[in-house]
Amino acid sequence: DAGVIQSPRHEVTEMGQEVTLRCKPISGHNSLFWYRQTMMRGLELLIYFNNNVPIDDSGMPEDRFSAKMPNASFSTLKIQPSEPRDSAVYFCASSFASGRNEQFFGPGTRLTVL
Amino acid sequence: GENVEQHPSTLSVQEGDSAVIKCTYSDSASNYFPWYKQELGKRPQLIIDIRSNVGEKKDQRIAVTLNKTAKHFSLHITETQPEDSAVYFCAAPLVSGGSYIPTFGRGTSLIVHP
Repeated sequence: DAGVIQSPRHEVTEMGQEVTLRCKPISGHNSLFWYRQTMMRGLELLIYFNNNVPIDDSGMPEDRFSAKMPNASFSTLKIQPSEPRDSAVYFCASSFASGRNEQFFGPGTRLTVL
Repeated sequence: GENVEQHPSTLSVQEGDSAVIKCTYSDSASNYFPWYKQELGKRPQLIIDIRSNVGEKKDQRIAVTLNKTAKHFSLHITETQPEDSAVYFCAAPLVSGGSYIPTFGRGTSLIVHP
């Protein structure tokens, strides 16, 4: 298995633009997590899906952020409109059976909003 | 919700010394306690984990101990090497409605001086 795949690896955009981050989890995993990592706030859980259903989205900062998981092999995190404070590394991770087992992280997307 | 406190935030040791990182958690229903290592510019990766039915687990130079009564667990690294330099994260799940929502500590930056 190629592991968790994320795209793009780097994204530079201007304030106000829409940003879409993509994730392909490991085949067979039924839990998917989106995290944001910054120096100031550490590793924050944004949203967690189990069997493609959002279980907890309390970490989503505001309505500008949305996430979908249309099937077991694909998820997106969208920011619209983007702001400079959204600049961070966004990780996608997958696991079998939620937070009770090892999470496998993707390589991350480094987002810079100018 | 689950609160995971991690100390220290920075740890500097000489090569060959031992390093200990401690975490406390608040949800008494938590039953899975992983430790992740994140090298500079890389993704977090699991290095060791422990479940609530055991008090200690070892894997070569690393070990984790768990005290469920006191709600704390610790990572021990013996005979540290420069390649151990990284940020280490502990995690514990918030158990809510049958779901296990992972919560990470803020991380410990370990620096091993040659």
